[in-house]
Amino acid sequence: DIVMTQSPDSLAVSLGERATINCKSSQSVLYSPHNKNYLAWYQQKPGQPPKLLIYWASTRESGVPDRFSGSGSGTDFTLTISSLQAEDVAVYYCHQYYSTPQTFGQGTRLEIK
Amino acid sequence: QIQLQQSGPGLVKPSQTLSLTCAISGDSVSSKTAAWNWIRQSPSRGLEWLGRTYYRSKWYDDYAESVKSRISITPDTSKNQFSLHLDSVTPEDTAVYYCARVGWPCGAGGCYLNWFDPWGQGTLVTVSS
Repeated sequence: DIVMTQSPDSLAVSLGERATINCKSSQSVLYSPHNKNYLAWYQQKPGQPPKLLIYWASTRESGVPDRFSGSGSGTDFTLTISSLQAEDVAVYYCHQYYSTPQTFGQGTRLEIK
Repeated sequence: QIQLQQSGPGLVKPSQTLSLTCAISGDSVSSKTAAWNWIRQSPSRGLEWLGRTYYRSKWYDDYAESVKSRISITPDTSKNQFSLHLDSVTPEDTAVYYCARVGWPCGAGGCYLNWFDPWGQGTLVTVSS
């Protein structure tokens, strides 16, 4: 199984500041014939299911604010929130869909400083 | 717009079977470009994929090794839904259970799994006597 490890486990950022969450996979999730990274990011708020933010490591889902961006390739990925808003308080997860079983990171809790 | 609506009991006794259903609107459980999944979430295990069912001229299913001996995921084409059955539950099976769709399109080079979207609303299942 591919193990997904996020850092940090929790993060406190001031409103309007940048938040950066990292995700590392135990093996590459880049499928070379497609030149695509099989990596997604989700946001989860209390009492709700995870919400898709980013897929193919950097493609923003329709309706997701452009302050959210994804980057990285191979085994190292980053989710960046360029200017933190109060509504961004949540737990964020990375997810690899390169191979079965699809696996998730342990989550990063984002709070307001 | 594809939507998933979960139903089922929130309390199951140890050694009994956990059963949940996920009703699909906006898509078909028989779609040849999707798979229908169950995922659970608990503080100890995080988000854990349990298994999926999908149709490609016949029905297939895949399961996580951790539950493979106890799980079945079955489609119901007449009601356009799919169900999770997890046997011989213990308190360690206490979790929020989600159903979710995965796109699985095929092209010239083969068929490739996508991300989970959408998700059902979640069902907290507690295993307790």
